[in-house]
Amino acid sequence: DAKTTQPTSMDCAEGRAANLPCNHSTISGNEYVYWYRQIHSQGPQYIIHGLKNNETNEMASLIITEDRKSSTLILPHATLRDTAVYYCIVRVAPSNTGKLIFGQGTTLQVKP
Amino acid sequence: GAVVSQHPSWVICKSGTSVKIECRSLDFQATTMFWYRQFPKQSLMLMATSNEGSKATYEQGVEKDKFLINHASLTLSTLTVTSAHPEDSSFYICSADPGRVGNQPQHFGDGTRLSIL
Repeated sequence: DAKTTQPTSMDCAEGRAANLPCNHSTISGNEYVYWYRQIHSQGPQYIIHGLKNNETNEMASLIITEDRKSSTLILPHATLRDTAVYYCIVRVAPSNTGKLIFGQGTTLQVKP
Repeated sequence: GAVVSQHPSWVICKSGTSVKIECRSLDFQATTMFWYRQFPKQSLMLMATSNEGSKATYEQGVEKDKFLINHASLTLSTLTVTSAHPEDSSFYICSADPGRVGNQPQHFGDGTRLSIL
C-alpha cells in the first residue's frame, strides 16, 4: 500500500471550513484513499473514502486531484467536537484482506 | 451504520494474569478482523489479522504465543493477552471488515484500555 504524508497539526476556527491535505504520490491505480479520525481515547471513526472522483457525505467532502497524488478532506463547518487526529490511508478496496496502516495523522484543533 | 462492539472497555489486573478482549461485529459479518495496539501519544500499530476459521496472521515483532487470537465465528474475534506484564499495558483496538459486500469500509471498536499492575 502507498505511503501518505500529512501535516502534523492544524488549527481551525469554529464554524469555518477545515481543509486537511494528504499527499500520496505513489498511489496505484486500484488503491482507494480512506479518511478516519480518532477522538481522544476512542477507536477510529470512518469518515469517507474515494478512488478518483470527489466524494461527499454527511460528514465531509473528499477532493482528489486528477493525478490522484494528493487529496483534501474538507469539514465544511468545523465544530469543537471535530477536534481529533485525522488519518489519511491508502489501500486496495474492496477487500477483506486489506490492512489499514496508520501513519501519524494530522491533529486538528478547532478553536472557539 | 455498521457497529463494532469491543468488551471490556477498561481492565486492570495483576501481573501474570491472562486477559481476554472480545470484538464483535453487530450488524454485519466479518471474515476478517484486525487487532491494533496504541501507546500514549502514538499512532495505531497493527498487531495481527484475524481470519475466521483459520490461524491469525501476525505482524513482524508481535509474539503470537503472547497474543492469542481466535476468530471462531463471522461476528466474533477474541484477543487474549497471556501472562500480562506492565509493558503490555496499552490501548487495544479491533476493527472488522465487511469485505467485498457493498464496498463498505472497515469499522473500529471503541478500544480496551489495559492496565497491568
